[in-house]
Amino acid sequence: DQQVKQNSPSLSVQEGRISILNCDYTNSMFDYFLWYKKYPAEGPTFLISISSIKDKNEDGRFTVFLNKSAKHLSLHIVPSQPGDSAVYFCAASPDNQGGKLIFGQGTELSVKP
Amino acid sequence: DTGVSQDPRHKITKRGQNVTFRCDPISEHNRLYWYRQTLGQGPEFLTYFQNEAQLEKSRLLSDRFSAERPKGSFSTLEIQRTEQGDSAMYLCASSRSGRLNEQFFGPGTRLTVL
Repeated sequence: DQQVKQNSPSLSVQEGRISILNCDYTNSMFDYFLWYKKYPAEGPTFLISISSIKDKNEDGRFTVFLNKSAKHLSLHIVPSQPGDSAVYFCAASPDNQGGKLIFGQGTELSVKP
Repeated sequence: DTGVSQDPRHKITKRGQNVTFRCDPISEHNRLYWYRQTLGQGPEFLTYFQNEAQLEKSRLLSDRFSAERPKGSFSTLEIQRTEQGDSAMYLCASSRSGRLNEQFFGPGTRLTVL
């Protein structure tokens, strides 16, 4: 039972353009969402988060949008840079389960110069 | 750098052997999490500690797996009688108390069971 889904295993974008990574979830008990970036041979690195009381959170080139009615969130990267090439994981935290994270399968982003 | 550290980074073992991994969290973090990641998947939650208390264990954590955090600082994850299906990346993360705090991950221990 995959409660957090990233349906695109990979995404290729030209440098300077926008990258949009999508994530869907099924559990309405999720109320806190995070995006992590992972390079090969390293652990995931926290990027940005959003609480369910908001529908948008922005940090520099990264913006996360949350649509609670659709149970969908997205990460926008503008402008995309070659150094952004990595695997991106969406994660969700159930509000009654102590802070553990439920991860999606990941989307591999490739930003081409 | 005082990030999360894990040891060893790689472990190759034969089926049936026991293995133990260590995680040192960020010093002021009192929550510590263990996850497992297999190829093409995101990390899957295994267990977590608040200080030395183990507060939750996933159904993924069979009786062959045991985790400890004896003094509320470092943690160990032991797998007894390893099986080939245990081959994975084992990730440790730490955070401050409170749900709305991001978890910081270590580099992971890659286990290969032959």
